[in-house]
Amino acid sequence: EPEVTQTPSHQVTQMGQEVILRCVPISNHLYFYWYRQILGQKVEFLVSFYNNEISEKSEIFDDQFSVERPDGSNFTLKIRSTKLEDSAMYFCASSQQGFSGNTIYFGEGSWLTVV
Amino acid sequence: EDQVTQSPEALRLQEGESSSLNCSYTVSGLRGLFWYRQDPGKGPEFLFTLYSAGEEKEKERLKATLTKKESFLHITAPKPEDSATYLCAVCGAGSYQLTFGKGTKLSVIP
Repeated sequence: EPEVTQTPSHQVTQMGQEVILRCVPISNHLYFYWYRQILGQKVEFLVSFYNNEISEKSEIFDDQFSVERPDGSNFTLKIRSTKLEDSAMYFCASSQQGFSGNTIYFGEGSWLTVV
Repeated sequence: EDQVTQSPEALRLQEGESSSLNCSYTVSGLRGLFWYRQDPGKGPEFLFTLYSAGEEKEKERLKATLTKKESFLHITAPKPEDSATYLCAVCGAGSYQLTFGKGTKLSVIP
């Protein structure tokens, strides 16, 4: 079964450093998302991306965050200057179409620890 | 603002003891209500999408139902491998984002 793959599975970084989390969405999917889950809390939406541009973003997704689809297969989330409160599990997700009730599939996550 | 409340927060069942998990929601123009299963340290695994009140979907021991204000995930004769956190999420009109509840942590004891 096709799946969303994410790398790295775990990254430890120092506060103030830049981090790039990588994702390979399911191959025929056109819509891509990043969510995050702070330990013990809800899964929270960060951003959605379609046709090489952001289609929607949450209040969490401030100027420190950016997303990019650098080639035909990868989708990345960059955090420019990490803060302690950025420590969380980051999930990439993808769907075949935009929201017409389309199923959104999640990857296994990248656990980011900021020290 | 879309809101999702799940209850109970945690549920312990004996193997074979059927029960239901609740998801109450408020959303402007429901596009879909999703159920996911999440194992510790893993990503949400898709189970069901429901679109309109009265709709029901089944998969193995799980059955999801939807009304205008809530959804239920019924678990029939659960097994220990059904132990996980079950997440409910909604997507509202004009949006691409899922709003999740905190989940119900289910433990099935042999």
